[in-house]
Amino acid sequence: QVHVVQSGPEVRKPGASVKVSCKGSGYTFYEYGYSWVRQAPGQGLEWMGWIGYYNGNTDYAQRFQGRVTITKDKSTNTAYMELRTLTSDDTAVYYCARTAAGKDLDFWGQGTLVTVSS
Amino acid sequence: QSVLTQPPSVSAAPGQKVTISCSGSSSNIGDNYVSWYQQVPGAAPKLLIYENNRRPSGIPDRFSGSKSGTSATLGITGLQTGDEADFFCGTWDSSLTAVVFGGGTKLTVL
Repeated sequence: QVHVVQSGPEVRKPGASVKVSCKGSGYTFYEYGYSWVRQAPGQGLEWMGWIGYYNGNTDYAQRFQGRVTITKDKSTNTAYMELRTLTSDDTAVYYCARTAAGKDLDFWGQGTLVTVSS
Repeated sequence: QSVLTQPPSVSAAPGQKVTISCSGSSSNIGDNYVSWYQQVPGAAPKLLIYENNRRPSGIPDRFSGSKSGTSATLGITGLQTGDEADFFCGTWDSSLTAVVFGGGTKLTVL
């Protein structure tokens, strides 16, 4: 049974960084990519970037270029998303989603609420 | 402003059918597979349709997807009150090298 489990809620001050983790189980971790999607309160889905299967290549949405880094650790079946220089506009639920070859996000984590407040 | 365009809301009575449209361009829908996601309030999105018209295991055949040119459509038949949710279309954009989503459509089952 496939499970994608994310780390818990975070609170940060403006200007700080946050790193969210996403652990996969029940399947072969390295055969899939991992996307990060965020959802601000009452808003739609916003794709931030992904790390590919096998070679670990990354693509980032233009608006997050230079501010986000997505990595993965095959030894622990865990993917990570680090977002830097946080502002209040970054307050959102951040989702990790297993990503198949056709770029469909087939299993999603439960979401991690990141609150940025002074 | 989302890259893909969806109607903000649709509604229909229980037992009826509803369709949700998703409009894009040649660099996204026109060139790549379309997926559809269902999000119940307070929960994570769930994959409903992938590769334009395929259903993951466990998704009932009341849900269907189609694509034509630069547009895609999600169809839901035999509506149930439990189908009330937000629905998002998504695809890869070859020019942006990014996954793009529609703004979402809220389904109300009257």
